[in-house]
Parts: sequence; C-alpha cells; structure tokens
Amino acid sequence: GPKVLQIPSHQIIDMGQMVTLNCDPVSNHLYFYWYKQILGQQMEFLVNFYNGKVMEKSKLFKDQFSVERPDGSYFTLKIQPTALEDSAVYFCASSPGDNYAEQFFGPGTRLTVL
Amino acid sequence: GDSVIQMQGQVTLSENDFLFINCTYSTTGYPTLFWYVQYSGEGPQLLLQVTTANNKGSSRGFEATYDKGTTSFHLQKTSVQEIDSAVYYCAMSSGTGGYKVVFGSGTRLLVSP
Repeated sequence: GPKVLQIPSHQIIDMGQMVTLNCDPVSNHLYFYWYKQILGQQMEFLVNFYNGKVMEKSKLFKDQFSVERPDGSYFTLKIQPTALEDSAVYFCASSPGDNYAEQFFGPGTRLTVL
Repeated sequence: GDSVIQMQGQVTLSENDFLFINCTYSTTGYPTLFWYVQYSGEGPQLLLQVTTANNKGSSRGFEATYDKGTTSFHLQKTSVQEIDSAVYYCAMSSGTGGYKVVFGSGTRLLVSP
C-alpha cells in the first residue's frame, strides 16, 4: 500500500540545538500531519498542514516548532531550540484530499535530546 | 474538546480466544471512528473505520461498531492469532480543523500460542 517515509529513523542531539525531521508523504496526498508519542504514552496531535499553511495546531506545538513543505518536497518539522521534553517519537502522516479520514503514517523518528 | 478514552492498557490472550476492546468518545462534532493497529517498529496503520452508528466495519477478521447513545465503540475478533499481537488504538476524527485524529492511549494485545 501507500508508504510514508521518515528520515532519519533516530536522531540524538544536545539540548538547545536545532533539529529538522523529514517526512516524504504519499505522492498526491494533500494533507499532512505531525504527531508526538512520548515513550509509553499515547500519540498526540501536533499540527496539520494543507495548501502551504498550518490549519490547526495543538498546545504541544510550541513556538519553537515550525513546519513547512517547500516546493512539494519533504514535509518538515523543525524544532529550534530543542528541550529535554522534546524527546519522543514523532510520526508524520498524510491523507488524500478525497478521503480526509484515512491517514497513512510513517514509521516515526525517535528524537533523543540530551 | 474532542477526547477518546481507552481504559484497557494491556490484554493477554491465548490463540483462538475472543477479543473485545472498548473505548468511549466525546465530541460536539460528527465523529468518524477508527481502529488503528501499530506493530513494533512501525507507525500506526488503519484497521477499521466506522462512520455510521450501529453499522459494522470489518477487516482481517476484526469487527467494529459504535453506539451513539452510550458514545462508545468497540473492536472485537472471534478468534485471535499470535500474529495479532500489537498495540490497538481507538481514534476519532470530528471533521473540524483539518481533520486531525484524536487517539486513545492504546491497548497492547499479547497473544500466546
């Protein structure tokens, strides 16, 4: 079936550094999402993105977070600067315009902030 | 805001046992309810979608229904197999704000042979 790819699978950085998580969504999908899952906890919505704009963001989407998809390439989540509490697995998802409900998830990027 | 409550953190069964996982939801919108399954090392994948109360969705031997009166929905399978061992999430989208999905906390299913 359709695949969402995420690069890298694991990233370790020092607190205060910048990190960019990359997502290669399913081609022709129009809606893009980021979710955060702290180890042992439930997956929580961060942000969704459509037509070049953020449509909705949660309280977890701090000012240090930003998303973009320049020229239809990777959909990225940037955190600058990172904090210890940003350590989690970040899942990217995409969905087609004609069935918003079915989201296809990537395998996740495990971010460890030291 | 929208919320989904999934109380069963872990369920341990033997092969051919009956599986039943229940969730409750809360929304002011019109919900579409889902069950996602997550295997180790992978992202969640859609297992079932139920859009109409009292209608059944089914896939891979799993069935899901939801009850609008009690705002609950459940996942069941008559006879589980070891390969069904995974984490199962109930989830909801209310169709507002770009169609975000609100997930329950997940139920880890362990099936022993």
